[in-house]
This record gives sequence, C-alpha cells and structure tokens, in this order.
Amino acid sequence: GAGVSQTPSNKVTEKGKYVELRCDPISGHTALYWYRQSLGQGPEFLIYFQGTGAADDSGLPNDRFFAVRPEGSVSTLKIQRTERGDSAMYLCASSPRQGAFEQFFGPGTRLTVL
Amino acid sequence: DAKTTQPPSMDCAEGRAANLPCNHSTISGNEYVYWYRQIHSQGPQYIIHGLKNNETNEMASLIITEDRKSSTLILPHATLRDTAVYYCIVRANAGNNRKLIWGLGTSLAVNP
Repeated sequence: GAGVSQTPSNKVTEKGKYVELRCDPISGHTALYWYRQSLGQGPEFLIYFQGTGAADDSGLPNDRFFAVRPEGSVSTLKIQRTERGDSAMYLCASSPRQGAFEQFFGPGTRLTVL
Repeated sequence: DAKTTQPPSMDCAEGRAANLPCNHSTISGNEYVYWYRQIHSQGPQYIIHGLKNNETNEMASLIITEDRKSSTLILPHATLRDTAVYYCIVRANAGNNRKLIWGLGTSLAVNP
C-alpha cells in the first residue's frame, strides 16, 4: 500500500519568506509526527498529533513554527519569516495508533533558505 | 539529549554478520529499546524493538543484556543494501510521550 508521502520533495526559499510543508500519512493512521534533520545529525522531534490535536509540541523551536492537522489526516508544517538556520530535511512519520511501536517515515522535504 | 551511546562508525564485509552495539545504562524499567536505520537520502526505517527479551524478525535480531544496560543489533548476513546509519533509541510506550529522541547513530559501511 501507499506509504507516507511528503510534498514538495525540495523547497528553496529566500530568507524572510513563508513556507508550507505537507505530509500525507498512511491511510487510517491516527498518530502523526514531524521531525527535522540537519546534515550529519539524527532527527530532532518537533511535534506529535494524535488525531486532530497536537499532543506534544515541545519540540517546536519558536513561534515561527506552527503545524496543523484539521481533519486528522493530512498535516501541514508552516514556517514564517524563514531563516537560514531553518535549512534542513523535514521528516514526517505516522503510526496506526497512539500505542503503536513503529513509526513509518516519509522521504522528507529538503528545505533550503537562501 | 539522547539516552544512548553508539560507536560513530563500523565496517562489515558483505555476507558476514554485522553486530552493532548500543549502551543505554540509564534506561528505565518501562522503556523499550528501538532500532531504526536511515539509508542515504531516505527517511528512517523501523527495524525492531524489545523490552527485555531477545527479539528476532525478518530483518534483524536484538540482543538485550540481562541488566538492560546495553543491547546489540545483529544483521545476520549483511548486504551492500544494509549500508546505512543505524539509530538505537530508548523510549517508554505510555502516555503522551511518543516522541523519539535520536542520537548520532552508527554509520555502517558494508564492503564487497
């Protein structure tokens, strides 16, 4: 079946611009996670949704970052006033339920802020 | 911070077993050990998890010491496609604490 998909695969933007990154989880998966990964580092947790609500947003670095999941499926990560330090791979993962052990990852969106 | 310590890199000959160690000396009683891997330019992939018993699936085996302070992931017959960064993560599976805290992992190179 279809896995987690993320669009766009690559996004180049200029400092100060607004960007939206989309994640389509596996159908029926209620848990959704966003991580970001800088070169040579492990993924860093950003936010976790259980259904439509953010159960844990402790990883969002500041108020320029916001994520939504209005219907409990697709999620959008929104970054305002982008900075060069926001350049990274943004990864999305989903799980079939809150207690599931495995997270299924998408291929990521490579964000470059010039 | 990650609760695990792994060697930064390892090499393995194709067809041989790859044994990847992980130290998690501060693991709590309710925390599981998870292994993921990330092939270059791809998203991470789940491999296996365990609590205290050894586990085996079609991808790998997980050996957890009796005191649970360390574990070893075993790829029994490594292939070139197993070249990846392998991450060992500990996490409880309860409440709203579902996030994975990742370290730097072990970069495994499988050589022909």
